Amino acid sequence: GAVVSQHPSWVICKSGTSVKIECRSLDFQATTMFWYRQFPKQSLMLMATSNEGSKATYEQGVEKDKFLINHASLTLSTLTVTSAHPEDSSFYICSAKRTGRGFFGPGTRLTVL
Amino acid sequence: DAKTTQPNSMESNEEEPVHLPCNHSTISGTDYIHWYRQLPSQGPEYVIHGLTSNVNNRMASLAIAEDRKSSTLILHRATLRDAAVYYCILRYPNDMRFGAGTRLTVKP
Repeated sequence: GAVVSQHPSWVICKSGTSVKIECRSLDFQATTMFWYRQFPKQSLMLMATSNEGSKATYEQGVEKDKFLINHASLTLSTLTVTSAHPEDSSFYICSAKRTGRGFFGPGTRLTVL
Repeated sequence: DAKTTQPNSMESNEEEPVHLPCNHSTISGTDYIHWYRQLPSQGPEYVIHGLTSNVNNRMASLAIAEDRKSSTLILHRATLRDAAVYYCILRYPNDMRFGAGTRLTVKP
């Protein structure tokens, strides 16, 4: 079946630094990818929709200048958390769309100290 | 946007069937009903989806009401590995928003 990978699987960074998370569709091309954030004991919250070759569409309340999304190829989308703060600590998950189904990455746990 | 309503939590005994309900009274005629599940510290995993007819696969069955305003995910024999949060989603993957889901606990 289709596989979506994320890198890194976990990251710890200092407050004020930037962190880049990669999402790759390993065996298919994805024109559309989605980024989610999930806090403990909560559901997934859609942050943005990433379209290859165009600007991402952000959900209301998500700062586009803080969460930079780049979808430069049909198999790679990146999420950069800029000037991270402790409140950005969360589980970040990407999803790629294919043939009417969504395929999710394993998630990236970000801890900001 | 069409919304779904699921119980917050359910319990089951191992090797017994589990019926997870989902209400979606505002579903439109073209909305597919998708089910995903999420194990702890993992990304969601596809379970099953359907439009009007009941569906079966190796993981589960999906029973869809005739008026399509509700559906039920059926795990025929729950195992400890089925303990997860189960999400019922409409129009996925065009509408990518998750509700709260149902946390399924499986007791040995």
